[in-house]
Amino acid sequence: NAGVTQTPKFRILKIGQSMTLQCAQDMNHNYMYWYRQDPGMGLKLIYYSVGAGITDKGEVPNGYNVSRSTTEDFPLRLELAAPSQTSVYFCASSDHGGSVTGELFFGEGSRLTVL
Amino acid sequence: AQRVTQPEKLLSVFKGAPVELKCNYSYSGSPELFWYVQYSRQRLQLLLRHISRESIKGFTADLNKGETSFHLKKPFAQEEDSAMYYCALVTGGFKTIFGAGTRLFVKA
Repeated sequence: NAGVTQTPKFRILKIGQSMTLQCAQDMNHNYMYWYRQDPGMGLKLIYYSVGAGITDKGEVPNGYNVSRSTTEDFPLRLELAAPSQTSVYFCASSDHGGSVTGELFFGEGSRLTVL
Repeated sequence: AQRVTQPEKLLSVFKGAPVELKCNYSYSGSPELFWYVQYSRQRLQLLLRHISRESIKGFTADLNKGETSFHLKKPFAQEEDSAMYYCALVTGGFKTIFGAGTRLFVKA
């Protein structure tokens, strides 16, 4: 079982470049999330989606965009990369939004460095 | 404000000693709390949830609404418990917020 798959695992960007972090899940989960984790900090929610065609901002959405054209895929787009976006990015999915009976299933993470 | 606080960045104990990882939360609604764990070179994964009142790998956690706490405990730590532990709070039914995490190191 693949679960949640993120690509790439590592990437170095120059300031001002753009890129897309890919996330796919094969569990038919409705809810998907993008988090970033800075050193010594907890995971901060960037964007989330409650189903195909529906996305919304989390705590730290500035500088990012997402789309959810299918249930399986939830790519995260970085436009005009800045050093402040250097972080580890985690994609997660859930069938019940993570509450009560649900849980978050995570990808392996993508380490992004902006120089 | 909704917040999860884990006051210890690092906790080091000897094998066989009791361990307690602290977690406090701030939330005006009815809290739904979880502990997630990340072992070395593995994905972040659910350890336990308060609603289940379960014991997983010898760990338990009790929700104390009066103290707004959800501390994780284990009576006898094992070396394989060494990992990063995150306390998490679900808000609005589907958004999970995380504490900064505590790294547990169990010494032989």
